[in-house]
Amino acid sequence: TQLLEQSPQFLSIQEGENLTVYCNSSSVFSSLQWYRQEPGEGPVLLVTVVTGGEVKKLKRLTFQFGDARKDSSLHITAAQPGDTGLYLCAGAPIGTASKLTFGTGTRLQVTL
Amino acid sequence: EAGVAQSPRYKIIEKRQSVAFWCNPISGHATLYWYQQILGQGPKLLIQFQNNGVVDDSQLPKDRFSAERLKGVDSTLKIQPAKLEDSAVYLCASSLLRQDLYEQYFGPGTRLTVT
Repeated sequence: TQLLEQSPQFLSIQEGENLTVYCNSSSVFSSLQWYRQEPGEGPVLLVTVVTGGEVKKLKRLTFQFGDARKDSSLHITAAQPGDTGLYLCAGAPIGTASKLTFGTGTRLQVTL
Repeated sequence: EAGVAQSPRYKIIEKRQSVAFWCNPISGHATLYWYQQILGQGPKLLIQFQNNGVVDDSQLPKDRFSAERLKGVDSTLKIQPAKLEDSAVYLCASSLLRQDLYEQYFGPGTRLTVT
């Protein structure tokens, strides 16, 4: 079983602060996706990274895929209350692109 | 484009009772997934369908859980009999192969409470 460990598990910050969430594994993935889930809703896809070392930006969110495709990070600049939610990374194992292994999750709360 | 639909949104049952959940995926998505999500954790895959065939059900507790996707579109997930530890959110997702990637789209989930 391929495990994806996320850190930190919980993060409570004030509006305007920066933060980084990490997603680590000992396994190599063909691609990695990041989702955000709000209470009472299903996860919503934010981004997919495919190439080792790839960096993608989505407004104030910056996603990076590790060179060895075993880890990833999500950096949020100037967090806003609307960023509050559960952030999940999910990796597609080599050879089984249709199946995702989800990380343990990072719960972010941004307060005014 | 309509998203993944699930019903019911909430269900409360007593242990040893049975329950069924329904999912309608995004039109044209051949792959359908059922996940179980314990509060605060990441989703755990229960079963994956490709059209109406099962691709992976290795983590489905088959003594009490069953799922079907008879016509390759809608799907149902059933639990019989339910246990206290089945309390969770059950998520349905669908995906389409696009440029060698499967990006999954999730429904809102069904929150099950077993008392």
